[in-house]
Amino acid sequence: EIVLTQSPGTLSLSPGERATLSCWASQSVNNNFLAWYQQKPGQAPRLLFYGAFRRATGIPDRFSGSGSGTDFTLTISRLEPEDFAVYYCQQYGSSPLFTFGPGTRVDFK
Amino acid sequence: QVQLVESGGGVVQPGGSLRLSCAASGFTFSRFAMHWVRQAPGKGLEWVAVIQNDEVERYNIDFVKGRFTISRDNSKDMLYLQMNSLRVEDTALYYCAKDVSNFGAFDFWGQGTLVTVSS
Repeated sequence: EIVLTQSPGTLSLSPGERATLSCWASQSVNNNFLAWYQQKPGQAPRLLFYGAFRRATGIPDRFSGSGSGTDFTLTISRLEPEDFAVYYCQQYGSSPLFTFGPGTRVDFK
Repeated sequence: QVQLVESGGGVVQPGGSLRLSCAASGFTFSRFAMHWVRQAPGKGLEWVAVIQNDEVERYNIDFVKGRFTISRDNSKDMLYLQMNSLRVEDTALYYCAKDVSNFGAFDFWGQGTLVTVSS
């Protein structure tokens, strides 16, 4: 069973700063089937990336996804005020079929 | 545009049942797998169940096995989750989500329907 760990739990930054969020898998993620989601308070999650680095429709290019195997990263090059949210990684395709990480909260410093 | 609208949530006693529905529009429903994902108050996301586009394959996570059943009606563009033997720990906001294809990432989500299990 694949378990996802995200680090840090909370990231306190200011607008304009760079955010680096990590997601580790307990086993290699098949075919790098790793997605990232953003969730703002009171809203449903929004897909940012799938296949580790494939940007979903409408996602600004200040967001980037990278990594393979067991180590994955979501980077926000320059934080905008609307980027302060919780970010989840998710693997799909390995048993159990779909699992989410615990999330990283990006807060205002 | 893609729309997913959940309904059917409410307050139920432990051991009770609820049937959640998700009305889909804006895409060819029968071409995509669909999911239910839940989020307990103040907690993270937890995948619950998936059903393939042609209903042949369906899976759910262990803690709902034998209690929850996912189904769909492609003629009505509807997704369902029948929840029986509900437990206090099933209390959550339940989202339906569209798959990017079959067993991929989740590219569209509804706004959720709240299920509260309490005596």
